[in-house]
Amino acid sequence: EPEVTQTPSHQVTQMGQEVILRCVPISNHLYFYWYRQILGQKVEFLVSFYNNEISEKSEIFDDQFSVERPDGSNFTLKIRSTKLEDSAMYFCASSKDRGGETQYFGPGTRLLVL
Amino acid sequence: SQQGEEDPQALSIQEGENATMNCSYKTSINNLQWYRQNSGRGLVHLILIRSNEREKHSGRLRVTLDTSKKSSSLLITASRAADTASYFCATYRGSTLGRLYFGRGTQLTVWP
Repeated sequence: EPEVTQTPSHQVTQMGQEVILRCVPISNHLYFYWYRQILGQKVEFLVSFYNNEISEKSEIFDDQFSVERPDGSNFTLKIRSTKLEDSAMYFCASSKDRGGETQYFGPGTRLLVL
Repeated sequence: SQQGEEDPQALSIQEGENATMNCSYKTSINNLQWYRQNSGRGLVHLILIRSNEREKHSGRLRVTLDTSKKSSSLLITASRAADTASYFCATYRGSTLGRLYFGRGTQLTVWP
């Protein structure tokens, strides 16, 4: 069964460094998302992406964040200058149909900012 | 804000028993979804119920939705140790492209 994959599974970085989190959504899906989950807290929406542009972003998704679909398969989240509070599990998700239908989540990337 | 809130926060039962988790939300929704998360892992979609549906079944899962009370319940029948996980409800309002609002989750522990 097709699944969303994410790399790396874990990432440790120094505060102020740039990180790129990578995702390969399910191949015939058209809608892509990033969420994050700070330890012990709710899963929070960051951004949705469709037709090569951002559809919606939350208040968390400030200028330090960007997303890109550089080719036909990858979907990336970049954090330009990481902060301690960016430490979280980052989940990529994709859906075949218009948003709100079943979203398929990847296993996540655990980011630790020191 | 429109967010799901689950209760109880933690539930501990024996194998074979039924587990019921509840979710409440604050604003009107298009659909409500339940996800499962094993410790430190990704989210697995379990079931989606639309606002015009009242009940839905999938295997040992039964979900109900009461839009008048803005609440949903997830029932897992004949639970197994492998059902041990966190369960989250997520709501979709319908006016945005896919944004889901998650609750804090219920940690279910099923003892053998």
